[in-house]
Amino acid sequence: DVKVTQSSRYLVKRTGEKVFLECVQDMDHENMFWYRQDPGLGLRLIYFSYDVKMKEKGDIPEGYSVSREKKERFSLILESASTNQTSMYLCASSLLKGGTTEAFFGQGTRLTVV
Amino acid sequence: KNQVEQSPQSLIILEGKNCTLQCNYTVSPFSNLRWYKQDTGRGPVSLTIMTFSENTKSNGRYTATLDADTKQSSLHITASQLSDSASYICVVSADSWGKLQFGAGTQVVVTP
Repeated sequence: DVKVTQSSRYLVKRTGEKVFLECVQDMDHENMFWYRQDPGLGLRLIYFSYDVKMKEKGDIPEGYSVSREKKERFSLILESASTNQTSMYLCASSLLKGGTTEAFFGQGTRLTVV
Repeated sequence: KNQVEQSPQSLIILEGKNCTLQCNYTVSPFSNLRWYKQDTGRGPVSLTIMTFSENTKSNGRYTATLDADTKQSSLHITASQLSDSASYICVVSADSWGKLQFGAGTQVVVTP
């Protein structure tokens, strides 16, 4: 059974804290993605990576950074959390040259910044 | 402006009835269109994937259609069940690298 695992289901952090969201996949996928999901807006791409140590900005990268030191792990970093980063964060992975290859999602991390 | 628009935003249907969800997109070029089901508090799960050459694809009681000329897709749910209550998300891929454009989703509630 394929699996994308996010380290936390729920997180509460204070404004200004540095926050790490971890994602691990066991499918040997090249592509990994971080999205945030807000009501009425759908999923919006923050960053994606198509190889170890490679990263590309998505549609809303401001306030975020990422790290991919190993193929199976993709981390999202909020350098200084702000209340407008309160959201559901979803990690996904897929094979390189996606084509019709399915993207698999983690369970999501609901982050609240207070 | 979102390149993937879904309608309706939400709907309520009686158990056993059918319903159809709509998706219009402007993403270009077009590689493939996917429908995902997202249960509350969980990540999306793929239902169907269609390329431009496919105009219908089924997965159990879910049937997706695609008209690449008009850039429209629909998802039809037959004989709805309570477990069909979820958000249904239309997703369009513009390239072969796997970058995806998401619609905002249609929230479906099936009542007994």
